[in-house]
Amino acid sequence: DAGVIQSPRHEVTEMGQEVTLRCKPISGHDYLFWYRQTMMRGLELLIYFNNNVPIDDSGMPEDRFSAKMPNASFSTLKIQPSEPRDSAVYFCASSLVPRDSRTTNEKLFFGSGTQLSVL
Amino acid sequence: SQQGEEDPQALSIQEGENATMNCSYKTSINNLQWYRQNSGRGLVHLILIRSNEREKHSGRLRVTLDTSKKSSSLLITASRAADTASYFCATAANTYSGAGSYQLTFGKGTKLSVIP
Repeated sequence: DAGVIQSPRHEVTEMGQEVTLRCKPISGHDYLFWYRQTMMRGLELLIYFNNNVPIDDSGMPEDRFSAKMPNASFSTLKIQPSEPRDSAVYFCASSLVPRDSRTTNEKLFFGSGTQLSVL
Repeated sequence: SQQGEEDPQALSIQEGENATMNCSYKTSINNLQWYRQNSGRGLVHLILIRSNEREKHSGRLRVTLDTSKKSSSLLITASRAADTASYFCATAANTYSGAGSYQLTFGKGTKLSVIP
């Protein structure tokens, strides 16, 4: 299994530009998560999907952030317009929840992340 | 919301020594997980311990859980330079928040340096 695949690995852009981050979860996983990691705030959950449906986007910092999951094998996180304070490492993770579990608290599989620098 | 907090924030040891990291949390949990993150990489799941378990082993890793003290520890025995990484605990809440709800909360990690 290839694991969770994120692209690009690095993104350098100028303030005001649109940024799109991409994620391919592990095949068969029914949960997908977007996290942001910074030194100051640690690992923050931005949004997560269950069976391609957004469940909780309360962690999305502003309307400039949006995420989609058009199918089970692809998700995007978009920032428009980008700002220097958005500079961080963005991780995608996926999980498979047992049928008899009502909530997801099983282990997560993380991608390698996208290092975003907004100048 | 509950959050696992790791202690210490940073730890430096010599190769061959044991490394112990602690995690404290605030409310009832379903399980507690430890993850490792190498520099520039994503987090990798190490071990999961459920609330009805007290100790778990995986290779050189030993995890304990004390639900009465709301704490867990991760012990790495006979450390190697390759163990240098950040280690995070994640707590899974023991309350039902609705179908499909997500209940893992990560701490800020312990940065472990193993000196050859």
